[in-house]
Amino acid sequence: GAVVSQHPSWVICKSGTSVKIECRSLDFQATTMFWYRQFPKQSLMLMATSNEGSKATYEQGVEKDKFLINHASLTLSTLTVTSAHPEDSSFYICSARSPGTDIYNEQFFGPGTRLTVL
Amino acid sequence: AQTVTQSQPEMSVQEAETVTLSCTYDTSESDYYLFWYKQPPSRQMILVIRQEAYKQQNATENRFSVNFQKAAKSFSLKISDSQLGDAAMYFCAYRRPGGGADGLTFGKGTHLIIQP
Repeated sequence: GAVVSQHPSWVICKSGTSVKIECRSLDFQATTMFWYRQFPKQSLMLMATSNEGSKATYEQGVEKDKFLINHASLTLSTLTVTSAHPEDSSFYICSARSPGTDIYNEQFFGPGTRLTVL
Repeated sequence: AQTVTQSQPEMSVQEAETVTLSCTYDTSESDYYLFWYKQPPSRQMILVIRQEAYKQQNATENRFSVNFQKAAKSFSLKISDSQLGDAAMYFCAYRRPGGGADGLTFGKGTHLIIQP
């Protein structure tokens, strides 16, 4: 159980276009989802916290107008990179919080999406 | 703000031997959660082991164990009987308490190489 999927797994786009990445919890309802960004050979950096039915909370330094997050249902959160530029090229990983039966409230990670902006 | 430090960019160990990965963190909280994640070349994050700061007993999961020193803010991972499948990036992570609404703060990672 506790499977999280991401789509697409890899996307290439032209500079100036927008790209949408989906994160789905397949077998549980996730009231909270998280979006991370990972540069090559670097760590994961939390970008934002997505709560179902409310506005996302962005980490300091993350442009909310560039990285639009929507959590419209308990199983789906989307990240839209608007007007993408080559510096937005990165690996984007989502995670979904497990239901509150575990004190750890473990986060289950998706497989990631590689974004390449030409 | 919380910070997590992994001072070993890369570690190498012979197959079947034991290796310890270090992690220190900085926080003003008294209760929190600590995790070790494994990221193989597929880049899928896999939870290895977890520890609640409130618990003094060190967590153990089969060949994986931690040495949690709360006063020193240290959370090292010991891998016993290393196997080729253990080769991966290992990230130490911190999370504040609060119902899981907080994201994880990760260290920079340690690349573990297993020598056959």
